[in-house]
Amino acid sequence: GQNIDQPTEMTATEGAIVQINCTYQTSGFNGLFWYQQHAGEAPTFLSYNVLDGLEEKGRFSSFLSRSKGYSYLLLKELQMKDSASYLCAVRAPSGGSYIPTFGRGTSLIVHP
Amino acid sequence: KAGVTQTPRYLIKTRGQQVTLSCSPISGHRSVSWYQQTPGQGLQFLFEYFSETQRNKGNFPGRFSGRQFSNSRSEMNVSTLELGDSALYLCASSLQDMQETQYFGPGTRLLVL
Repeated sequence: GQNIDQPTEMTATEGAIVQINCTYQTSGFNGLFWYQQHAGEAPTFLSYNVLDGLEEKGRFSSFLSRSKGYSYLLLKELQMKDSASYLCAVRAPSGGSYIPTFGRGTSLIVHP
Repeated sequence: KAGVTQTPRYLIKTRGQQVTLSCSPISGHRSVSWYQQTPGQGLQFLFEYFSETQRNKGNFPGRFSGRQFSNSRSEMNVSTLELGDSALYLCASSLQDMQETQYFGPGTRLLVL
C-alpha cells in the first residue's frame, strides 16, 4: 500500500518562512506533487518533482529526496493569503497505471 | 483564455440512480484528470484521459467510468449510486500529462440521498 504523511496543522507569522514536510512509503515512485487548496475552492497545482533537489518558483520552493522518501514545501515571505491546506501526493505505479496518492493535507494558518 | 468548466455545479440524486458529469478543459489541453474529494477519504484520483484514451486509472469500482471526446471534453459516469458517492468531483486539465501544470475546474458537488 501507499502511505503519505504530513503534519495536520501548522501556524506561522506573516512575513516568516515555513517548511511543510511530507514523508512517503510507496511501492515505486514516479514523482511528487504539491497542491494548495483554499477552503471551499478547488486545488491549485504548485509543483511536481521527479529528481532529487530543490526547485524554486517565486516564494514557493519544493525539495525532494527519493532515497529518504521525503519532500518539503518551503514558503517564504508568508502572506495572509497563504492560509490554506497544502496537499502532498506521490505518483506511483499501480496495476498498469501511474496514479497519485494524496496525503491528508497540512492546514497552514498564517497570523499577523 | 477560459478556464476549466464543469457542469453541473451541484447535483442531488438518490441511491441506485446514475449520474453523468461533464468537464471542458482549457483550449489546447489534451490531458483531463478526474478526482473525488470527501471529508473522510480526502482527495483521491479517479482516472486520466488523453487523446480519447484512458491512460491511468485509480482504485475505484467499475461503477465509475469516463470517456473523452475528440475535442478533449470529458465526462465521467457513476452508475448505481451509493450514499458514499456523495463528494466533490474535480477535473483538471493540462497540456499533455498530469505531471505538467494542472488547472482545476470548480468541481461538481454531488449529494446522494
